[in-house]
Amino acid sequence: NAGVMQNPRHLVRRRGQEARLRCSPMKGHSHVYWYRQLPEEGLKFMVYLQKENIIDESGMPKERFSAEFPKEGPSILRIQQVVRGDSAAYFCASSPIGQGYGYTFGSGTRLTVV
Amino acid sequence: AQTVTQSQPEMSVQEAETVTLSCTYDTSESDYYLFWYKQPPSRQMILVIRQEAYKQQNATENRFSVNFQKAAKSFSLKISDSQLGDAAMYFCALLIGNEKLTFGTGTRLTIIP
Repeated sequence: NAGVMQNPRHLVRRRGQEARLRCSPMKGHSHVYWYRQLPEEGLKFMVYLQKENIIDESGMPKERFSAEFPKEGPSILRIQQVVRGDSAAYFCASSPIGQGYGYTFGSGTRLTVV
Repeated sequence: AQTVTQSQPEMSVQEAETVTLSCTYDTSESDYYLFWYKQPPSRQMILVIRQEAYKQQNATENRFSVNFQKAAKSFSLKISDSQLGDAAMYFCALLIGNEKLTFGTGTRLTIIP
């Protein structure tokens, strides 16, 4: 019974390149959340998705960032034209609907922009 | 909007002793959930303990217990018999409905051998 799977674990991109971060939720979980953690800080909400729907993207920067959770396949967080300030750990979490058990987190992807 | 405040950036405790980490929160909702997550150097976010706001009884999980004061909007974590493996960042978090978790800024716990 695999947990939340994120890949890659580490990602290095040059300024201006695109970064794609993948997240496969736990089996039976239909809700996916993306969080960003800057060094020495807490996790900040970015976006909340269900299959083929963005429910809440209030934490997403207005430009360069997008997220999807297609009918088939993993959820993708995409960052276009990365800048140094995008360097952070990006966590994905999943939950079953309406149960309030809290999320199960993946191990995160550490993005480094050089 | 809800907020979560952890006023202790760092704490330390002698191995085998007891330590309490503080957390306060603010929300206008009456039904919600509170959590403590642990983040060791591996970066994995690990759920430590969960509390339902409508339950008056404080949650416990082995050496971990909480002191939930709903009126004061306080949710502290007590770790008994501290072990070296407890060293980590600890985050308090608030969940309302099935919306996003709101996290505090964390407390770094050091265990002194």
